[in-house]
Amino acid sequence: DGGITQSPKYLFRKEGQNVTLSCEQNLNHDAMYWYRQDPGQGLRLIYYSQIVNDFQKGDIAEGYSVSREKKESFPLTVTSAQKNPTAFYLCASKTQGTESPLHFGNGTRLTVT
Amino acid sequence: GENVEQHPSTLSVQEGDSAVIKCTYSDSASNYFPWYKQELGKRPQLIIDIRSNVGEKKDQRIAVTLNKTAKHFSLHITETQPEDSAVYFCAASMNSGGYQKVTFGIGTKLQVIP
Repeated sequence: DGGITQSPKYLFRKEGQNVTLSCEQNLNHDAMYWYRQDPGQGLRLIYYSQIVNDFQKGDIAEGYSVSREKKESFPLTVTSAQKNPTAFYLCASKTQGTESPLHFGNGTRLTVT
Repeated sequence: GENVEQHPSTLSVQEGDSAVIKCTYSDSASNYFPWYKQELGKRPQLIIDIRSNVGEKKDQRIAVTLNKTAKHFSLHITETQPEDSAVYFCAASMNSGGYQKVTFGIGTKLQVIP
């Protein structure tokens, strides 16, 4: 059964700690994305990657880091430098070419206190 | 970079009426415009999309129109049903330096009143 798996579904951390959100896909998609969702602000792009070992900053990359060591995996690290990390994080992937839709994971809700 | 504006942010309609959501984009290089539906607590899912060489596309009760000159596109839902209640996002996709960047609008919360 192909899809995108994000884990965990809920994550709680203390302020000042780095935390890594997992995203794995078995759709054989080249491109992967991380979005942050806040009420009233839609989906904002954090980082995206087209191929292994290469990625680009999105519109709100500050305080986040990513890696793309394998085609199937695109983990997101929320660092202590991110000033307001509590949010719903969505990972997505797509095939090459602009005219193809994103496939989303179920998301991870991160709460930092 | 690309900027996508979406309105209204909330929309209430009576069951059976039509709903229209409008989006504008800023970069003429955008060439693919998907619409996603997100039910409460779930992932966004594609409901319809349109390519820049097409002016209109319809799938049962859902239709999308695109005006490239004005840089705006709209989602039309006819004969709305309670299960249409959700948040709808428009998006614009473009090739940016070899990367495919997808930019979303802020979303429209649609409530269909039985």
